[in-house]
Amino acid sequence: GENVEQHPSTLSVQEGDSAVIKCTYSDSASNYFPWYKQELGKRPQLIIDIRSNVGEKKDQRIAVTLNKTAKHFSLHITETQPEDSAVYFCAASSPPGGGNKLTFGTGTQLKVEL
Amino acid sequence: NAGVTQTPKFQVLKTGQSMTLQCAQDMNHEYMSWYRQDPGMGLRLIHYSVGAGITDQGEVPNGYNVSRSTTEDFPLRLLSAAPSQTSVYFCASSYGRGASSPLHFGNGTRLTVT
Repeated sequence: GENVEQHPSTLSVQEGDSAVIKCTYSDSASNYFPWYKQELGKRPQLIIDIRSNVGEKKDQRIAVTLNKTAKHFSLHITETQPEDSAVYFCAASSPPGGGNKLTFGTGTQLKVEL
Repeated sequence: NAGVTQTPKFQVLKTGQSMTLQCAQDMNHEYMSWYRQDPGMGLRLIHYSVGAGITDQGEVPNGYNVSRSTTEDFPLRLLSAAPSQTSVYFCASSYGRGASSPLHFGNGTRLTVT
């Protein structure tokens, strides 16, 4: 089955700096790569996703890049703010079963310091 | 729309007891799934369903049963609770069976087995 590795496990940045979280996946058939943000005690919520036919996608301060050849994808957050502090999870689809059958990374605790 | 509703929010069981975690969605989503979240291990797929009457195992299915008699409901049954099943459980749903579409999570059930 699919295996997703995520690094780093913790990340501390100063407000206004950029943050980068990296993930690798093992199954070359995976075709959907979402990122979720989870605040303490809350449910994971989708912040951005990318499909295998696209190399990069941006949404305001958030961007995701995908390198299918190397089987890795990254989340980039620019101009970080205190409200960006949370745990971030990457995931990859695991066919068969549909692209909805996601395998998650182990998470990155992001702390944005004032 | 209420989205994905999970009950109960908290539950304490003794070893050997059984119980059912409820999950309902009102978005007419075909795909539903259960994940467990443990510290440092991300979200791991327990069982999933691509439609009414169809269920399949995920990464960590042992000790759990599911059924999908309607599109809306996807209960998770713990047959004989064990301390290793202490975790936070999330139900999630998405539109479509094969297309990669965002997972919508419920608010979670925090289960403690003593």
